[in-house]
Amino acid sequence: DAKTTQPPSMDCAEGRAANLPCNHSTISGNEYVYWYRQIHSQGPQYIIHGLKNNETNEMASLIITEDRKSSTLILPHATLRDTAVYYCIVRVAGFDGANNLFFGTGTRLTVIP
Amino acid sequence: EAGVAQSPRYKIIEKRQSVAFWCNPISGHATLYWYQQILGQGPKLLIQFQNNGVVDDSQLPKDRFSAERLKGVDSTLKIQPAKLEDSAVYLCASSPRASGRRSQYFGPGTRLTVT
Repeated sequence: DAKTTQPPSMDCAEGRAANLPCNHSTISGNEYVYWYRQIHSQGPQYIIHGLKNNETNEMASLIITEDRKSSTLILPHATLRDTAVYYCIVRVAGFDGANNLFFGTGTRLTVIP
Repeated sequence: EAGVAQSPRYKIIEKRQSVAFWCNPISGHATLYWYQQILGQGPKLLIQFQNNGVVDDSQLPKDRFSAERLKGVDSTLKIQPAKLEDSAVYLCASSPRASGRRSQYFGPGTRLTVT
């Protein structure tokens, strides 16, 4: 059961900001929004996560709307190495039981020189 | 810190043969996951271990797939007998605890081709 909706593909010019949207209208109060990316022929890589406040780390920023029904991942200055499939995932944290990541099909971001 | 190790990286077998994949998680990580990723799709969980116990194997096709993590460290995933539709990348991931907010670290995967 997909809990998130993402556009299948996006392009971004190198050096510009990449803004990747995600809809998660059925998110529960105890579910976090996670973003992972998967570069070709590699395993997924954690990027960032948040509950309701905006978050920033060395890789990206995460903007979550006040109603938590959608979010945007921002790569401030995209490089060619950011070309990858980006997955938006909602997941309960703080639970030691069955707690896998449900990956949809993600957004394929292509950074163009 | 060493990452999650998997071997082999590639495997080609004929249908009805058997195959095994190996995973060594990050040292100290109690939780280990096996995912299957079919071309063009996102990874799908097959099984989750907490130490050497199974937490979730609801998506594991138990008639042909098996997995173990006997000493709570390394894990093996076996397919016997393989079918054409098992062609996929098999990803192993680990985390310190299932409840950790930092979530999972993935290995590079094993690409299986069944002919």
